[in-house]
Amino acid sequence: GDSVTQMEGPVTLSEEAFLTINCTYTATGYPSLFWYVQYPGEGLQLLLKATKADDKGSNKGFEATYRKETTSFHLEKGSVQVSDSAVYFCALSLNDYKLSFGAGTTVTVRA
Amino acid sequence: NAGVTQTPKFQVLKTGQSMTLQCAQDMNHEYMSWYRQDPGMGLRLIHYSVGAGITDQGEVPNGYNVSRSTTEDFPLRLLSAAPSQTSVYFCASGRGVQYFGAGTRLSVL
Repeated sequence: GDSVTQMEGPVTLSEEAFLTINCTYTATGYPSLFWYVQYPGEGLQLLLKATKADDKGSNKGFEATYRKETTSFHLEKGSVQVSDSAVYFCALSLNDYKLSFGAGTTVTVRA
Repeated sequence: NAGVTQTPKFQVLKTGQSMTLQCAQDMNHEYMSWYRQDPGMGLRLIHYSVGAGITDQGEVPNGYNVSRSTTEDFPLRLLSAAPSQTSVYFCASGRGVQYFGAGTRLSVL
């Protein structure tokens, strides 16, 4: 079945460090790919998305590129801030509504 | 902008009790869904609905019932709570991009 595997955490970084969270997927068709972020005590919110191969999603300094050849959608940010501390979820959808999520990666940024 | 509203935020139940988790959205979305979030497992789909009067099972439907009588509301019912249902529950709506509520933290003792 369709599934998402993402890098296990937790990840602890210093402010201004580079962040990468790996995400790979298995799907029977051509999924849309998403990164959602969950700040402490809140629900999930969309961070970025890509709907076809080679698309790059970007938002708030975060970027991820849809790589069909490696079935990957790695999340990157060049210089993290304390406010980026959150849980990050990679997800896929084949039909625009049912989402399959990875296990989530907890990121803590220290001042 | 209210978006997706879930009530209650916290609930403690005893084994065997029943309860309904409420979810309402004001964005006129046809698609709504319920997920549960457990440590190390991400979010798993419980039930979903593609419109009023239409519901279907997700990945982990056992022990949960849903109905969809209006576009706005999509309640989740636990008929006889079990400790295995201790979790954080999220309601979401939307197609393409999903919008999530703030969650209900449920403990079953």
